[in-house]
Amino acid sequence: AQSVAQPEDQVNVAEGNPLTVKCTYSVSGNPYLFWYVQYPNRGLQFLLKYITGDNLVKGSYGFEAEFNKSQTSFHLKKPSALVSDSALYFCAVRRSGGSYIPTFGRGTSLIVHP
Amino acid sequence: EAQVTQNPRYLITVTGKKLTVTCSQNMNHEYMSWYRQDPGLGLRQIYYSMNVEVTDKGDVPEGYKVSRKEKRNFPLILESPSPNQTSLYFCASSLSGGGSGELFFGEGSRLTVL
Repeated sequence: AQSVAQPEDQVNVAEGNPLTVKCTYSVSGNPYLFWYVQYPNRGLQFLLKYITGDNLVKGSYGFEAEFNKSQTSFHLKKPSALVSDSALYFCAVRRSGGSYIPTFGRGTSLIVHP
Repeated sequence: EAQVTQNPRYLITVTGKKLTVTCSQNMNHEYMSWYRQDPGLGLRQIYYSMNVEVTDKGDVPEGYKVSRKEKRNFPLILESPSPNQTSLYFCASSLSGGGSGELFFGEGSRLTVL
């Protein structure tokens, strides 16, 4: 079985400050990890993924995420938040080598205040 | 432009009236899937398809049917809709079912069953 936890329903941050959206996972074997963003009234958009290699992954819009195998975490980060980053963020995991059935977290609402 | 197209985007119907939500992708993707998004529950997979004529149940398949007669199309059928199927539905596709590729999502179809 595989699962994803996003422990915060909402994250508030001031514009210009660094942001972190947390994600922990559980999967047997090696994980494929993904972050998606959903803007209001839109579908989900891919931000970045970890497959293998460097634990720090860089993605779209200045976002990055760090894979930590010992803590089974894949937190999303950005050095300087923008008001336009306000959206719903989803973490997803699937087991490498298995069939493609990704499991999504419940989502974290990021609110960036001017 | 690479995209996943869903129709209709918005639909209000009544209990028991059969409906179909269409989904089409123009990226020659093998893998397609349907999700529903409900507040506090995140994304839950309804059905998925690894290729033409190959479909399988996700986490919440009850009350839904799908078919995959052509590679590009993956319609979601509600034979006898009920109010608990009121939700936001997303179709998604990916290059292959066994790889590390990210999902491409449609814009969503908001369904209300009265």
